[in-house]
Order: sequence, then structure tokens, then C-alpha cells
Amino acid sequence: DQQVKQNSPSLSVQEGRISILNCDYTNSMFDYFLWYKKYPAEGPTFLISISSIKDKNEDGRFTVFLNKSAKHLSLHIVPSQPGDSAVYFCAASAGTASKLTFGTGTRLQVTL
Amino acid sequence: DSGVTQTPKHLITATGQRVTLRCSPRSGDLSVYWYQQSLDQGLQFLIQYYNGEERAKGNILERFSAQQFPDLHSELNLSSLELGDSALYFCASSVVGNNSPLHFGNGTRLTVT
Repeated sequence: DQQVKQNSPSLSVQEGRISILNCDYTNSMFDYFLWYKKYPAEGPTFLISISSIKDKNEDGRFTVFLNKSAKHLSLHIVPSQPGDSAVYFCAASAGTASKLTFGTGTRLQVTL
Repeated sequence: DSGVTQTPKHLITATGQRVTLRCSPRSGDLSVYWYQQSLDQGLQFLIQYYNGEERAKGNILERFSAQQFPDLHSELNLSSLELGDSALYFCASSVVGNNSPLHFGNGTRLTVT
């Protein structure tokens, strides 16, 4: 049972444009959501998070939006840069930031 | 550099064998987590330790076990290995509480032949 789903395995975006990565979840107990970025041969790196009491969180070029009623969150990257090319994982937890449930990832490619 | 160290980076072994993966958490982090990533899958939570004690358990097979030592490093032991155990095994650490994010090591790639 995949409680966190990233339905787009890959996404290609031109440099300078907006990248939008999507994530859906089914467990209504999830109250904390994170995005991780992963480069080849490296571990996932924490990018940005959002608590269920908020609907938006920004950090520089990265913004995460949470729609609790739709059980959906998205990561916006503006403007996209070639260095953003990586696999992005959405993750969720219930109660604390431990025991994260991860999606299967979306591979983002930012082209010149 | 996340500050989490995992050794070895690569491990190739045969079915039926036993291996030990090692993890040193970030300085100051008391909690260690183990995750498994099989091909084209998300990271699956295996087990969490906090200050030497098991805190939470996920989909960890009975053939697998882990422990956290007094110096806070952790080991994941995988025994009676099967082909399907081939995967990336990640260790992460965190300061427990306040929704602090996990910091991951670079993983150990296990290949069972």
C-alpha cells in the first residue's frame, strides 16, 4: 500500500522556467511533509518541509504547497537551474519527523 | 556533506551469506534510522534507534537486525541473504523532536549474487 505517491517518474523543464513536482498521500494522519533531493551516488538531502498547520512554505527558489483537503502537496522551483537536476522524493510522517514514508521519486531534468 | 558516514560503500556477496553495514551519525544526533531502497522504489523504513534503544520498527525482515552502540554508531546485520536483498541501504540521523529533518549518509550498495 503506497501511502505517498509521486505519479510522475520524470519531468523535463527548461532552465529559467518553473518546475512543479507533485505528491499525493492517502494517510490522513500525516501531519508533516518533506521534500528531499537526491543526486546519483549520494544520499537524499533535505530540501524543505511543511507542517499541516500551514498551506505554504518558502525557502529561496523553493516553495512547498499543501492542500490538506485534496491530500496533495507540490514543490515549486523558480527559476529552475541545471544544478536542480536530480531525483526529488516527497516524504511524510505522522506525529514526528521520524519514520518517514517516502514516495518513489520524480527525476527532474533541467535543460539549457 | 551530511555528516553521516556509512561503510562500506559497496558490498558484493553471495546468497546465504551474512553482512554488516555500519553507520556513524552526525555529531550530537542521538537517533539513527535505517532505510532500504530497492530498484526504482522509494525508501522503505526499516528501523530506528534512539540513544541505544530501539524506538520504531518498519518492514524489517526477521533475517535483519540492528543495534546502536554506546558511542551512537549503528550496525545493520543482514543474514541468510537472498537475491532480493540487493538494494541501497541508507542510514540517517537526527535530533529527535521538533520535527527535525533526517540527514542521510551516502548509502551502502549491496549486491547479492
